[in-house]
Formats: sequence, C-alpha cells, structure tokens
Amino acid sequence: SQQGEEDPQALSIQEGENATMNCSYKTSINNLQWYRQNSGRGLVHLILIRSNEREKHSGRLRVTLDTSKKSSSLLITASRAADTASYFCATDGGTYKYIFGTGTRLKVLA
Amino acid sequence: EPEVTQTPSHQVTQMGQEVILRCVPISNHLYFYWYRQILGQKVEFLVSFYNNEISEKSEIFDDQFSVERPDGSNFTLKIRSTKLEDSAMYFCASRGRANQPQHFGDGTRLSIL
Repeated sequence: SQQGEEDPQALSIQEGENATMNCSYKTSINNLQWYRQNSGRGLVHLILIRSNEREKHSGRLRVTLDTSKKSSSLLITASRAADTASYFCATDGGTYKYIFGTGTRLKVLA
Repeated sequence: EPEVTQTPSHQVTQMGQEVILRCVPISNHLYFYWYRQILGQKVEFLVSFYNNEISEKSEIFDDQFSVERPDGSNFTLKIRSTKLEDSAMYFCASRGRANQPQHFGDGTRLSIL
C-alpha cells in the first residue's frame, strides 16, 4: 500500500452512529495528522498525534496510533450530518513534507 | 484564529501562460508548503520552504515551477508556462515549529484552457 492509505474508501452511516477510519503508512514518522476536507474546500486540521503517543482525543474525535503496525485510526462518535466530508491522514516520513492518503469519503445520513 | 489565506480563489489561464498563485501564511510560522490536488485525486506534495530556501521538492516540481517569499508575509508559487495537466487545486500550508500541525488555506482552483 502507499504511504498514508486510508480505508475504507467510502463509508455511509446514520446520524448518531460512530464512524471509524483507518490509515496505514510505510515509513517511520515523527507525527501523523488527520484532516477533513469538505467538497471543493481546503483541508481542516483535526488532530496531530506524535510518534510517541498512542491515543489522543479532541471533542468527538479519537485518534489512535500503533507505530509497530504503522497504522492509525480516527473515530468520530455520535456522528452528525455536518461530519459529511472526506478524511485524510498525512504522515511526515521524518522529512519536511507530508504525504497524504487517498482519503475516506464519509457520508452521514440524517 | 489566524488563517492561511490564498488568492485568487479561482484562476483561469490560457495554456502556455505564466501564472502566480499567492499565499499569506500565518504570521509567526516558519515552514511553508505548496500542495496540489487534481480533481478527485489525493493531495500531492510539491515543495517545502524554510529559512528562505527550498527544503524539499517533489518530482512534480520541475523547472516550470518556482517559489518565492518576496517579503515578510507573502509566499508565491509561479508556473512559467502552464500545461493542461497543471489544472488542479493548489493549496498553501504553513507550520510553526517541527511537530506542530500544518495549517492549510482554502486553495486556488487553477483551470488551464
């Protein structure tokens, strides 16, 4: 898989349900970030998790990181229609640049 | 909250013309980036810039591309002779220090005719 590959590619859930998205990467990292992108708009930073952290919370968001498996997950609890967007993970690969995955398109049905 | 701002929001240019995309990063940030996203595809790294020089660039960032920080606030991406395949959303991002998140602008949609 490519650096920063998310799965599933698309996810459709009912409002109030939880949504889980996964990201896998290949090289070692300093940190991993999750972003949200509404259609045709910019990338909104959600959470940054450092390589020495295992879990991080922000409101309804929970991110985990398993560096031994080179994977991360983003959990959105009690989803809302406004959470409908594409979600990307981005890894720094230890360099200045960030490599983005292909994203998970989340649709939350009201 | 401070934001990264990009102008214009949409640029339409004839093939072969030069185009300059402008960005104002967050004021106390030190690292600057350009990315692009072709419609329906993933976000691709183009170039990073730190301490007034390019830190890293991708294979996409060939001789047709250049970046500049002409003053203390602007960060520009220039494409000298645009091609049809340059049509994409171009995002600017900035970061304060290492291990801090990158903050993105809303992007410039570049359409090459």
